[in-house]
Order: sequence, then structure tokens, then C-alpha cells
Amino acid sequence: GEEVAQTPKHLVRGEGQKAKLYCAPIKGHSYVFWYQQVLKNEFKFLISFQNENVFDETGMPKERFSAKCLPNSPCSLEIQATKLEDSAVYFCASSLVASGRVSNEQFFGPGTRLTVL
Amino acid sequence: AQTVTQSQPEMSVQEAETVTLSCTYDTSESDYYLFWYKQPPSRQMILVIRQEAYKQQNATENRFSVNFQKAAKSFSLKISDSQLGDAAMYFCAYHTGTASKLTFGTGTRLQVTL
Repeated sequence: GEEVAQTPKHLVRGEGQKAKLYCAPIKGHSYVFWYQQVLKNEFKFLISFQNENVFDETGMPKERFSAKCLPNSPCSLEIQATKLEDSAVYFCASSLVASGRVSNEQFFGPGTRLTVL
Repeated sequence: AQTVTQSQPEMSVQEAETVTLSCTYDTSESDYYLFWYKQPPSRQMILVIRQEAYKQQNATENRFSVNFQKAAKSFSLKISDSQLGDAAMYFCAYHTGTASKLTFGTGTRLQVTL
């Protein structure tokens, strides 16, 4: 599609439950990024993919967070055993492969608001 | 560590006036790309303007322009003829090339008053 799509819009989980978020990048975009925006507005990078391959996972809390981008499926971000501090808005963004010195704009989805009670 | 600093948590401007939001960054890379994003209450991230670090000319997009000072690692956003619809959080960010993550500042909340 022409926009990055994220589902669901809102997700409420009890502490310890699993949460799974989905992202469909813009058609033709090869890179997918996940960011976490906590209530103080700070953005934290989680992970990026080049097609179905992990490109950069330096921001991922490895113990409970996992992510995948499989061919012909939306990308997913899964949190096992959610904690209160996982409450945040999770943004997915996608960008084109581009050669040369171009700014490689990242296009953001509308976000998924996760509330952990 | 690579960082972005927005020293103004909140700013206020009257409608039709001009306001400047400041941003400084720290990177050891020679090639990088700078952005200003707008985030209204809907939380949607909207790209306002971008600047390639290798370009000396300051970027301009209608009422939005930047003052890019590479030596000082400064990238401020000027909004001219402010409108009520400009009220939002503004985030300064950069990345260092293809597929690189964005590093964001902590944001500046802009209020526009009548």
C-alpha cells in the first residue's frame, strides 16, 4: 500500500501476558524499523530489517522482545510476559533502498498504543 | 554516544509570528541526514523538512526552513507565519545513511496562540 499500516491501534494486556503488534510496510520498501515511544515522548530504536533479515537489533531487550519480517506477511513485534514499563506507543517505519547520497526518509505508521495493566 | 539535544521543552508563538526551535547533535560520522518531524496529538509522525549534511544550502519547505551549522552541529527549525495547525510536538532527528536507525531528540512542544 501507499502507507505504513499498523494493527491494532490499541492493545491492553495484563502484566505477564503476551502482546503481538503488526506492521505492513509501504509496498516496495525494503527496510522496516520498530521504535518505542514511552509516555515521556522519548523514542527508542528497537530493531530494523532488510526484507526478512535482521539488520540492526541493538535496541532490542532480548529477554522478552522478538520480531520477524516474513515474506508475504506483515512484520510483527512480540512481547512475551509484558511488564508495566512496556506501556508505550510502538511505531513501525519503512524506507526504500536507495543508492547514492540520499536522505532515505523513513515513513511512519500511525503506531500501536500498548497499555499494560 | 550519538545524541540529539533539544533544549526547549516548550515554546509558544502567536499566530502569524515566527518561531525558531533549536537542535544540536553529536555524531562522529561525516555523512549524515537531519530531519524535523511533527507529531500532533494524533501521534502520527509527519516529516516537516530534511537536510543532507553534505549540502551547504539550508533546506526550505514553504513556511519551514532550517539553519544548518555543520561546524557547530546545530540544526534549528524556523516556522514563519505560524498557524494554529502548527501546534504539535516537534522532534529533531538524524541518521547516518541507508537503513540506519533514527536518533531522536526529546522534542519541543509548540503552542500557537491567537
